[in-house]
Amino acid sequence: GQQVMQIPQYQHVQEGEDFTTYCNSSTTLSNIQWYKQRPGGHPVFLIQLVKSGEVKKQKRLTFQFGEAKKNSSLHITATQTTDVGTYFCAGGPRGGTSYGKLTFGQGTILTVHP
Amino acid sequence: EPEVTQTPSHQVTQMGQEVILRCVPISNHLYFYWYRQILGQKVEFLVSFYNNEISEKSEIFDDQFSVERPDGSNFTLKIRSTKLEDSAMYFCASRGYKNIQYFGAGTRLSVL
Repeated sequence: GQQVMQIPQYQHVQEGEDFTTYCNSSTTLSNIQWYKQRPGGHPVFLIQLVKSGEVKKQKRLTFQFGEAKKNSSLHITATQTTDVGTYFCAGGPRGGTSYGKLTFGQGTILTVHP
Repeated sequence: EPEVTQTPSHQVTQMGQEVILRCVPISNHLYFYWYRQILGQKVEFLVSFYNNEISEKSEIFDDQFSVERPDGSNFTLKIRSTKLEDSAMYFCASRGYKNIQYFGAGTRLSVL
């Protein structure tokens, strides 16, 4: 079945440093979504990428979808303490009769030291 | 902003007991999901539900699990005979026409 791998598992940064997490799928995706989960919280939708090579920005966050639609990245510029949490990518499978099932990566736990 | 609500927030049960986890999806959404997250691990898909029937389920979703939409608002996950390894956070999610899933705050299930 489809597998989504995410690295790194943990990232500790000083406030102001940049942060990047990478996501790779074993199969081509129809779309990729990114979620943020605060400690003790639930996944909160950040963004969806659909097109090959797509790049989207949300303030200090930049999301990319690979040309082959099998990988993606999230980059945060100048991290702040409010960025703390686990960032998950989640892939939507291509083709078949999937009704939007998401396959999550393992997540990257980001800690930011003030 | 509309949100998915889940009850209870925490459920403690004895092994072998039945539990029902409840969810109220966003009102105009058509697709409903259950996911689970074992402590410290990734979110895992359990089941999707559309047009009053299961559309897809994972290997985790065995005969001990069932889902139901008993009325126009609630969406439930039942575990017939809980096992220790069922202890996890269970998230309900719903989506409308846009392919965005909105997650509830989750129910933490503790099986003793």
